[in-house]
Amino acid sequence: DSGVTQTPKHLITATGQRVTLRCSPRSGDLSVYWYQQSLDQGLQFLIQYYNGEERAKGNILERFSAQQFPDLHSELNLSSLELGDSALYFCASSVGDRGQFFGPGTRLTVL
Amino acid sequence: AQSVTQPDIHITVSEGASLELRCNYSYGATPYLFWYVQSPGQGLQLLLKYFSGDTLVQGIKGFEAEFKRSQSSFNLRKPSVHWSDAAEYFCAVAGFMDTGRRALTFGSGTRLQVQP
Repeated sequence: DSGVTQTPKHLITATGQRVTLRCSPRSGDLSVYWYQQSLDQGLQFLIQYYNGEERAKGNILERFSAQQFPDLHSELNLSSLELGDSALYFCASSVGDRGQFFGPGTRLTVL
Repeated sequence: AQSVTQPDIHITVSEGASLELRCNYSYGATPYLFWYVQSPGQGLQLLLKYFSGDTLVQGIKGFEAEFKRSQSSFNLRKPSVHWSDAAEYFCAVAGFMDTGRRALTFGSGTRLQVQP
């Protein structure tokens, strides 16, 4: 158990819909990262937050957004969903750059 | 831009045999390097990491990796594989982005199958 929690574990929705994925980092970790894992794209970094502020952006679509709240939990919002958004979404947390700890992931299926 | 290549998509070894998973990276400066393991239906678990110093690093579960700057490699090794090691293994490099912050770039992974 990494100490990072993610909810829900599974999510099934339809195209065009909007969903919110939630992540709670390890106690004491200020950084939260979001990743997308799909068969064709592999593991892709989406976005990082540090203590409530956006710190780095990767290959995140404009339809996707994230935020980190004062209690350090983070939410990833995915809107206008398409079939290609079906993937595993991971959250990770860290102290500094020296190793990220991953949550169990949320499997999103868009029908 | 940084990149990571794991040339072996799938490897099968017998239980008790030795293992080496290859990883090559591309990054202009000294990288931070990591190996993660992902079991089916699970998240990624950090096996080991290299930042500086001794180029042979020890990790959890009996794994080790050696950083070779001249070959831009960070291969993962284990002297004797156990059936429970069957999983997917990801090499990653943390290099600086345009923002001045480090971000992880993952390789495409190597799926390890262990034969009894």
